[in-house]
Amino acid sequence: DGGITQSPKYLFRKEGQNVTLSCEQNLNHDAMYWYRQDPGQGLRLIYYSQIVNDFQKGDIAEGYSVSREKKESFPLTVTSAQKNPTAFYLCASSIGPSGRFYNEQFFGPGTRLTVL
Amino acid sequence: DQQVKQNSPSLSVQEGRISILNCDYTNSMFDYFLWYKKYPAEGPTFLISISSIKDKNEDGRFTVFLNKSAKHLSLHIVPSQPGDSAVYFCAASAGGGKLIFGQGTELSVKP
Repeated sequence: DGGITQSPKYLFRKEGQNVTLSCEQNLNHDAMYWYRQDPGQGLRLIYYSQIVNDFQKGDIAEGYSVSREKKESFPLTVTSAQKNPTAFYLCASSIGPSGRFYNEQFFGPGTRLTVL
Repeated sequence: DQQVKQNSPSLSVQEGRISILNCDYTNSMFDYFLWYKKYPAEGPTFLISISSIKDKNEDGRFTVFLNKSAKHLSLHIVPSQPGDSAVYFCAASAGGGKLIFGQGTELSVKP
């Protein structure tokens, strides 16, 4: 049963702590993405990776970091430098540049991060 | 600078009638457009897409129309069902796999 998993569903952290959000996919997709959703706003791109060991900043990368050591995994770290980290975080994947349906991204269930 | 705009935050429609969700964009380099449906506390699910070489794409009850000259696309749902109640996002791509999303429109279909 292929898909994208994000864990945990809900995450609480104290202000000033770094926290890492997990994203795993077994779709054999090359490209992976992290988005942030705030109330009344669309999804904003944080980071994306089109291939293992390579990633690019999205529109709101400040205060975040990522790694892509394996094709299946794309963890996102929310650092203490992120000024307003409380949000709903979504991970997505797509086939990759060589795939016909490259533009179609498949999303995980999301992680709700609350910083107290 | 909002490159993709959904100007209606919400829409209410009677069951069985047509729902029309609108989306405007400013970047003429966008060549692929998608609609996603999202329930609260879940990830968006892909609904339907359209390439800029077409002006219409249909999939069951869902039809997307693209007007390139007006930089406007719309999603028609006919007939609307209560299970269609969700937030709908349009997204656009200029290549490279990146998608730019609109703010979303919350559709409520009343029985």
